[in-house]
Amino acid sequence: KAGVTQTPRYLIKTRGQQVTLSCSPISGHRSVSWYQQTPGQGLQFLFEYFSETQRNKGNFPGRFSGRQFSNSRSEMNVSTLELGDSALYLCASSGRDRALYEQYFGPGTRLTVT
Amino acid sequence: AQSVAQPEDQVNVAEGNPLTVKCTYSVSGNPYLFWYVQYPNRGLQFLLKYITGDNLVKGSYGFEAEFNKSQTSFHLKKPSALVSDSALYFCAVRDDSNYQLIWGAGTKLIIKP
Repeated sequence: KAGVTQTPRYLIKTRGQQVTLSCSPISGHRSVSWYQQTPGQGLQFLFEYFSETQRNKGNFPGRFSGRQFSNSRSEMNVSTLELGDSALYLCASSGRDRALYEQYFGPGTRLTVT
Repeated sequence: AQSVAQPEDQVNVAEGNPLTVKCTYSVSGNPYLFWYVQYPNRGLQFLLKYITGDNLVKGSYGFEAEFNKSQTSFHLKKPSALVSDSALYFCAVRDDSNYQLIWGAGTKLIIKP
């Protein structure tokens, strides 16, 4: 079974630009969660999608948004990038409808904002 | 509010020695606890979980964790460390309000030959 894939793996953007990251979950998984990982803040939950609906949202500004498609693939978008948005963005999928049990993570997208 | 703490930023262990990575938690109900490992430039990999049942949970790569309700701890252990165990380890607890995971800050484990 193929694992969680994320594209692109690396991105360099300029302040004020926007960016879209993509995540393909494990086949059959319907829950996709997004996390931001930084050295200072650790792992922080962004949002979770299940069956194309946002189920949960973390404490991030509205510049961070996401969506999920009918095939469970998910995208997250960050608009008006700030230097502080530089981070590793991780996507995780779960076979359970509430990410109740173990999540399977992708390799992440390393975003650098200059 | 639910929370999880990993009191050690870094743990150094000689190869072949037993290792322990500490985790304590605070939850209002029954704890659902997890350990994940992150190798450099990789995503997180699931190691083990405690939902209910035996206090000693066995997981991947020879790791195990001991759930201690009275001490609200869920320490990760391995009887004999390998250099390849060097990585960043995260403890997490389920947030009962939204079923998401609350993560510890991570502990860097360094195994020296």
